[in-house]
Order: sequence, then structure tokens, then C-alpha cells
Amino acid sequence: QQQVKQSPQSLIVQKGGISIINCAYENTAFDYFPWYQQFPGKGPALLIAIRPDVSEKKEGRFTISFNKSAKQFSLHIMDSQPGDSATYFCAASKSGKLIFGQGTTLQVKP
Amino acid sequence: DVKVTQSSRYLVKRTGEKVFLECVQDMDHENMFWYRQDPGLGLRLIYFSYDVKMKEKGDIPEGYSVSREKKERFSLILESASTNQTSMYLCASSQTSGGAGTQYFGPGTRLTVL
Repeated sequence: QQQVKQSPQSLIVQKGGISIINCAYENTAFDYFPWYQQFPGKGPALLIAIRPDVSEKKEGRFTISFNKSAKQFSLHIMDSQPGDSATYFCAASKSGKLIFGQGTTLQVKP
Repeated sequence: DVKVTQSSRYLVKRTGEKVFLECVQDMDHENMFWYRQDPGLGLRLIYFSYDVKMKEKGDIPEGYSVSREKKERFSLILESASTNQTSMYLCASSQTSGGAGTQYFGPGTRLTVL
């Protein structure tokens, strides 16, 4: 049973384009929604996170959009750069435990 | 900077062997976690610990056990390794006071069971 569903599985974007990754969750008890970024050979690292009382959070080129009624949230990467090429995981938290999505491998072409 | 270290980057074991994966964090975090990462499945929680000598099952605990004798160290044990336990294993730690806290991950151990 996958409580957090992430799409697409892979994504190819041209440099300067917008990368969009979507996630949907089922459990309305989730109270924290982080995105993690993982480079090859490294562990995931927190990129940006949002709580369900706000609809959008922006940090530099990275924005989370959150739709509580639809139980969906998404990551937008503006002006995507080759250095953004990595695997991205959305997650949802309940009582300090994280439930991760399946991951999206992003490739930004120069 | 928070540092989470894992004892091995790569490990090759044989079916039936007992396997120990060690994780150490240097930030005095209360919470520690073990995940396995498989393509298309994301990260799945095996076990976690909120305090020394305390452990709780995650989503896929079958075939695994853990030990936390000291606050900074969390060990994952495969009692009798099987080929379906071939995977990337990630350890994480976090500090939280009731709500969600950032989890800091180690670099992972890629375990192959032959």
C-alpha cells in the first residue's frame, strides 16, 4: 500500500526550463511534507518542506505548491540547471516518521 | 554540520550469513532510522528508534532486527541474509520535539547477497 504516490518516474528537461514533479497522499493526518534531493553516491538531503496550513512555499528556484483539498503537492524547479540533475523524493510525515514517494530521476540537458 | 556515517559503502555477503550494518551520528540526535532504497519503490522504513534501547518497527521489518545501545549508534542486523535483501541501505537521524524534524542521511551501504 503506497500512501504517497509520486510521478513521473523520470523527467528530462532542457536547461532553463521548468521541472514539475507531482505527489499525492491519502492520509489526512500527515502534517509535514518535505522534498529530498539525492545525488548519485550520496544520501538524500532535505531540499524544501511545507506544512498543510500554507498553499505555497518558495526558496530560490524551488517552489512547493500544496492543495490540501485534493491531497496533492508538487515541486517546481524554475530555470532548471544541469546541476539540478538528481533523484527527487517527496515525503509525508506523521508523528516524526516519513513516508516517501517512489522517486523521480531528473535529467537537465545543457 | 550534521554527519551520519555508515560503516561500509559496499558489502557482499552470502545467503544465510549474519550481517551487521552500523550507523553513527555526531549531533546528539534522539531519533535514528534505517531505510532500504529500491528502484521504483523509493525509501521504505525498516526500523526506527526514539531513544537508547528503544526500537519500533517500520513498514518492512521482516527479516531485520536493530540495536541501539548508545545514543549515537544504531545497528541494523540481518539474522540470515537472503537474496531479496540485496538493496541500498540508508541510515538517518533527526532531532525533533514532538513534530517532524529534518532527517539527515548517511551515504548508504549497497549490500549484495549472493
